[in-house]
Amino acid sequence: NAGVTQTPKFRVLKTGQSMTLLCAQDMNHEYMYWYRQDPGMGLRLIHYSVGEGTTAKGEVPDGYNVSRLKKQNFLLGLESAAPSQTSVYFCASANGLPTGELFFGEGSRLTVL
Amino acid sequence: GQNIDQPTEMTATEGAIVQINCTYQTSGFNGLFWYQQHAGEAPTFLSYNVLDGLEEKGRFSSFLSRSKGYSYLLLKELQMKDSASYLCAVRDSNYQLIWGAGTKLIIKP
Repeated sequence: NAGVTQTPKFRVLKTGQSMTLLCAQDMNHEYMYWYRQDPGMGLRLIHYSVGEGTTAKGEVPDGYNVSRLKKQNFLLGLESAAPSQTSVYFCASANGLPTGELFFGEGSRLTVL
Repeated sequence: GQNIDQPTEMTATEGAIVQINCTYQTSGFNGLFWYQQHAGEAPTFLSYNVLDGLEEKGRFSSFLSRSKGYSYLLLKELQMKDSASYLCAVRDSNYQLIWGAGTKLIIKP
């Protein structure tokens, strides 16, 4: 009953450091997404994938890269972290239309000093 | 630009009814979602409307008027556990979700 699992849950980085957030889903969903959530703002889409081997940019992709080598995994990378990337990151997956409801991971809280 | 508006915060009393409004201006429309998010947790799906009218699911109902760009989430028989943020999201013509900033609902005994 895992659903969508994100690791790590918490991380503190120094400016300029790199890291990777891992998202894994066990529901055989085609669609996967990375969002960031900041106070007073709606969820903002960073990157998404419509299937294994595919990725696409969302609303705020700068400073992030992603990969989807396996259907169940979606990785989010920060090559050179900046304080503006301090946020809570959510991964989500969906089975597609017509409803396409999203299933979210528990979130990863990232602080960049 | 695309925009989703919902009140920042609302307060209601346990056992009462509350209506959370959402207005939207988006490039096309392919459905409206409501999600619930407890503090420090992930959003969870509540409802989906694509046609005008009311969808009822237990204590929660969601209404949509596409001509007015308007939806509301109605919560009945409020319980303390309903204290959470409620997120409105619209799927646009490119099938991307546009999210509102959320309404924080505070339930008082």
